[in-house]
Amino acid sequence: SSELTQDPAVSVALGQTVRITCQGDSLRNSYASWYQQRPGQAPVLVIYGENNRPSGIPDRFSGSSSGNTASLTITGAQAEDEADYHCNSRDSSGNHVVFGGGTKLTVL
Amino acid sequence: QVHLVQSGAEVKKPGSSMKVSCKASRVTFSSYIINWVRQAPGQGLEWMGRIIPVFGTVNYAQKFQGRVTITADESTSTVYMELSSLRSEDTAVYYCAGENMITLGGDIVPVAYFDYWGRGTQVTVSS
Repeated sequence: SSELTQDPAVSVALGQTVRITCQGDSLRNSYASWYQQRPGQAPVLVIYGENNRPSGIPDRFSGSSSGNTASLTITGAQAEDEADYHCNSRDSSGNHVVFGGGTKLTVL
Repeated sequence: QVHLVQSGAEVKKPGSSMKVSCKASRVTFSSYIINWVRQAPGQGLEWMGRIIPVFGTVNYAQKFQGRVTITADESTSTVYMELSSLRSEDTAVYYCAGENMITLGGDIVPVAYFDYWGRGTQVTVSS
Protein backbone atom coordinates (compact mmCIF):
# COMPACT_ATOMS: atom_id res chain seq x y z
CA SER A 1 0.00 0.00 0.00
CA SER A 2 1.11 3.58 -0.74
CA GLU A 3 2.24 5.92 2.04
CA LEU A 4 0.69 8.80 0.10
CA THR A 5 -3.08 8.88 -0.41
CA GLN A 6 -4.87 10.47 -3.35
CA ASP A 7 -8.51 10.51 -4.39
CA PRO A 8 -8.91 8.07 -7.30
CA ALA A 9 -10.91 10.46 -9.45
CA VAL A 10 -11.82 14.14 -9.61
CA SER A 11 -13.79 16.10 -12.18
CA VAL A 12 -13.91 19.79 -13.08
CA ALA A 13 -15.92 21.88 -15.49
CA LEU A 14 -13.99 23.47 -18.31
CA GLY A 15 -12.50 26.78 -17.18
CA GLN A 16 -13.12 26.15 -13.50
CA THR A 17 -10.62 25.57 -10.70
CA VAL A 18 -9.80 22.15 -9.31
CA ARG A 19 -7.67 21.01 -6.39
CA ILE A 20 -6.09 17.58 -6.25
CA THR A 21 -4.79 16.48 -2.87
CA CYS A 22 -2.12 14.13 -1.57
CA GLN A 23 -1.94 13.07 2.08
CA GLY A 24 0.80 11.38 4.06
CA ASP A 25 2.98 11.71 7.12
CA SER A 26 6.13 12.24 5.04
CA LEU A 27 4.61 15.49 3.74
CA ARG A 28 5.05 17.07 7.16
CA ASN A 29 8.80 17.21 6.45
CA SER A 30 9.10 17.00 2.67
CA TYR A 31 7.52 18.77 -0.26
CA ALA A 32 5.41 16.81 -2.69
CA SER A 33 6.08 16.84 -6.39
CA TRP A 34 3.37 16.42 -8.99
CA TYR A 35 3.34 14.65 -12.34
CA GLN A 36 0.85 14.73 -15.19
CA GLN A 37 0.47 11.53 -17.19
CA ARG A 38 -1.61 11.30 -20.33
CA PRO A 39 -2.67 7.86 -21.63
CA GLY A 40 0.19 5.91 -23.13
CA GLN A 41 2.78 8.52 -22.21
CA ALA A 42 5.48 8.89 -19.59
CA PRO A 43 4.81 11.16 -16.61
CA VAL A 44 5.75 14.82 -16.84
CA LEU A 45 6.84 16.88 -13.85
CA VAL A 46 4.48 19.85 -13.35
CA ILE A 47 5.21 21.05 -9.79
CA TYR A 48 8.19 20.56 -7.47
CA GLY A 49 9.45 22.05 -4.25
CA GLU A 50 7.42 24.68 -2.45
CA ASN A 51 5.62 25.75 -5.64
CA ASN A 52 7.92 25.58 -8.67
CA ARG A 53 7.03 24.88 -12.27
CA PRO A 54 9.50 23.46 -14.78
CA SER A 55 9.97 25.39 -17.97
CA GLY A 56 7.01 24.99 -20.30
CA ILE A 57 4.41 24.20 -17.63
CA PRO A 58 1.51 26.70 -17.75
CA ASP A 59 1.10 29.01 -14.79
CA ARG A 60 -2.42 27.73 -14.19
CA PHE A 61 -0.70 24.87 -12.33
CA SER A 62 0.29 25.64 -8.74
CA GLY A 63 1.19 23.74 -5.61
CA SER A 64 0.68 24.26 -1.89
CA SER A 65 1.08 22.36 1.34
CA SER A 66 -0.36 22.35 4.85
CA GLY A 67 0.46 19.83 7.53
CA ASN A 68 0.35 16.35 6.03
CA THR A 69 -1.50 17.42 2.88
CA ALA A 70 -0.13 18.70 -0.40
CA SER A 71 -2.35 20.13 -3.11
CA LEU A 72 -2.10 20.68 -6.82
CA THR A 73 -4.40 23.41 -8.07
CA ILE A 74 -5.34 23.99 -11.68
CA THR A 75 -6.88 27.43 -12.12
CA GLY A 76 -8.98 27.56 -15.26
CA ALA A 77 -8.80 23.91 -16.27
CA GLN A 78 -8.41 23.20 -19.98
CA ALA A 79 -9.44 20.17 -21.96
CA GLU A 80 -5.79 19.17 -22.37
CA ASP A 81 -5.42 18.97 -18.58
CA GLU A 82 -7.48 15.79 -18.55
CA ALA A 83 -4.97 13.21 -17.36
CA ASP A 84 -3.77 11.22 -14.39
CA TYR A 85 -1.94 13.18 -11.72
CA HIS A 86 0.56 11.54 -9.38
CA CYS A 87 2.23 12.95 -6.29
CA ASN A 88 5.49 11.80 -4.74
CA SER A 89 7.88 12.73 -1.96
CA ARG A 90 10.65 11.32 0.18
CA ASP A 91 9.38 8.66 2.53
CA SER A 92 9.47 8.99 6.30
CA SER A 93 13.06 7.67 6.45
CA GLY A 94 14.23 10.24 3.90
CA ASN A 95 16.16 7.65 1.92
CA HIS A 96 13.44 6.36 -0.33
CA VAL A 97 10.68 7.75 -2.53
CA VAL A 98 6.97 7.09 -2.39
CA PHE A 99 4.16 7.78 -4.83
CA GLY A 100 0.48 8.30 -4.28
CA GLY A 101 -1.99 6.06 -6.06
CA GLY A 102 -2.78 8.73 -8.67
CA THR A 103 -5.87 10.82 -9.42
CA LYS A 104 -7.72 10.67 -12.70
CA LEU A 105 -8.86 14.18 -13.64
CA THR A 106 -11.82 14.53 -15.96
CA VAL A 107 -12.54 17.91 -17.56
CA LEU A 108 -16.25 18.19 -18.30
CA GLN B 1 17.95 18.89 -21.79
CA VAL B 2 18.58 15.43 -20.39
CA HIS B 3 17.74 12.54 -22.69
CA LEU B 4 16.96 9.06 -21.31
CA VAL B 5 16.69 6.22 -23.82
CA GLN B 6 15.39 2.87 -22.65
CA SER B 7 15.72 -0.60 -24.11
CA GLY B 8 12.89 -2.27 -25.95
CA ALA B 9 9.90 -4.32 -24.89
CA GLU B 10 10.40 -7.81 -23.48
CA VAL B 11 8.32 -10.91 -22.92
CA LYS B 12 9.49 -13.14 -20.08
CA LYS B 13 8.53 -16.47 -18.58
CA PRO B 14 7.56 -16.73 -14.90
CA GLY B 15 10.58 -17.43 -12.75
CA SER B 16 13.03 -15.86 -15.18
CA SER B 17 14.84 -12.51 -14.93
CA MET B 18 14.61 -9.27 -16.86
CA LYS B 19 17.24 -6.60 -17.41
CA VAL B 20 16.24 -3.17 -18.71
CA SER B 21 18.66 -0.42 -19.64
CA CYS B 22 18.51 3.36 -19.58
CA LYS B 23 21.12 5.40 -21.43
CA ALA B 24 21.55 9.02 -20.35
CA SER B 25 22.86 11.83 -22.48
CA ARG B 26 23.24 15.62 -22.19
CA VAL B 27 23.99 15.27 -18.48
CA THR B 28 26.97 14.76 -16.18
CA PHE B 29 26.27 11.10 -15.63
CA SER B 30 28.30 10.54 -12.47
CA SER B 31 26.43 13.22 -10.51
CA TYR B 32 22.96 12.44 -11.85
CA ILE B 33 20.65 10.00 -10.11
CA ILE B 34 18.65 7.43 -12.06
CA ASN B 35 15.51 6.00 -10.54
CA TRP B 36 13.36 3.09 -11.68
CA VAL B 37 9.59 3.42 -11.46
CA ARG B 38 7.07 0.90 -12.71
CA GLN B 39 3.39 1.07 -13.60
CA ALA B 40 1.24 -2.04 -13.78
CA PRO B 41 -1.77 -1.93 -16.12
CA GLY B 42 -4.36 0.52 -14.82
CA GLN B 43 -2.34 1.21 -11.69
CA GLY B 44 -0.32 4.06 -10.24
CA LEU B 45 3.41 4.65 -10.23
CA GLU B 46 5.61 2.53 -7.97
CA TRP B 47 9.15 3.49 -7.04
CA MET B 48 11.59 0.58 -7.18
CA GLY B 49 14.95 2.11 -6.41
CA ARG B 50 17.70 4.50 -7.47
CA ILE B 51 21.42 4.63 -8.10
CA ILE B 52 23.74 7.56 -7.38
CA PRO B 53 26.88 6.82 -9.43
CA VAL B 54 29.09 9.50 -7.87
CA PHE B 55 28.65 7.97 -4.42
CA GLY B 56 28.22 4.38 -5.56
CA THR B 57 24.99 4.36 -3.59
CA VAL B 58 21.98 2.25 -4.40
CA ASN B 59 18.63 2.43 -2.58
CA TYR B 60 15.90 -0.16 -3.09
CA ALA B 61 12.26 -0.07 -2.09
CA GLN B 62 11.64 -2.62 0.63
CA LYS B 63 9.11 -4.43 -1.54
CA PHE B 64 11.81 -5.32 -4.10
CA GLN B 65 14.77 -5.95 -1.76
CA GLY B 66 16.51 -9.17 -2.72
CA ARG B 67 14.88 -9.31 -6.15
CA VAL B 68 16.10 -6.11 -7.82
CA THR B 69 19.61 -5.00 -8.73
CA ILE B 70 20.44 -1.58 -10.15
CA THR B 71 23.87 -1.00 -11.66
CA ALA B 72 25.59 1.72 -13.65
CA ASP B 73 28.20 1.67 -16.41
CA GLU B 74 29.81 5.11 -16.39
CA SER B 75 31.76 4.36 -19.56
CA THR B 76 28.50 4.26 -21.52
CA SER B 77 26.34 6.44 -19.24
CA THR B 78 23.92 3.55 -18.92
CA VAL B 79 21.98 2.30 -15.91
CA TYR B 80 20.59 -1.22 -15.73
CA MET B 81 17.76 -2.60 -13.65
CA GLU B 82 17.53 -6.36 -13.22
CA LEU B 83 14.49 -7.98 -11.62
CA SER B 84 14.56 -11.69 -10.85
CA SER B 85 12.03 -14.42 -10.03
CA LEU B 86 9.48 -12.79 -12.29
CA ARG B 87 5.78 -13.42 -11.80
CA SER B 88 2.71 -12.26 -13.67
CA GLU B 89 2.26 -9.34 -11.28
CA ASP B 90 5.54 -7.89 -12.58
CA THR B 91 3.89 -7.20 -15.93
CA ALA B 92 4.23 -3.44 -16.19
CA VAL B 93 5.79 -0.50 -17.96
CA TYR B 94 9.17 0.20 -16.41
CA TYR B 95 10.42 3.79 -16.49
CA CYS B 96 13.77 5.28 -15.67
CA ALA B 97 13.60 8.78 -14.27
CA GLY B 98 16.33 11.31 -13.57
CA GLU B 99 16.88 13.17 -10.34
CA ASN B 100 19.35 15.83 -9.22
CA MET B 101 21.01 16.43 -5.88
CA ILE B 102 21.10 19.49 -3.63
CA THR B 103 23.12 20.59 -0.62
CA LEU B 104 20.93 20.54 2.47
CA GLY B 105 22.36 21.34 5.88
CA GLY B 106 25.84 20.47 4.70
CA ASP B 107 24.76 17.15 3.19
CA ILE B 108 24.28 16.37 -0.49
CA VAL B 109 20.89 14.73 -0.88
CA PRO B 110 18.58 13.70 -3.71
CA VAL B 111 15.86 16.25 -4.48
CA ALA B 112 13.14 13.53 -4.65
CA TYR B 113 11.53 14.87 -7.78
CA PHE B 114 12.11 13.49 -11.25
CA ASP B 115 12.49 16.05 -13.98
CA TYR B 116 13.26 13.73 -16.90
CA TRP B 117 11.78 10.38 -17.77
CA GLY B 118 12.47 7.70 -20.31
CA ARG B 119 9.64 6.61 -22.59
CA GLY B 120 9.16 3.36 -20.69
CA THR B 121 9.81 -0.31 -21.39
CA GLN B 122 6.89 -2.72 -21.55
CA VAL B 123 7.67 -6.01 -19.83
CA THR B 124 5.16 -8.81 -20.06
CA VAL B 125 5.49 -11.88 -17.85
CA SER B 126 3.52 -14.77 -19.26
CA SER B 127 3.84 -18.50 -19.63
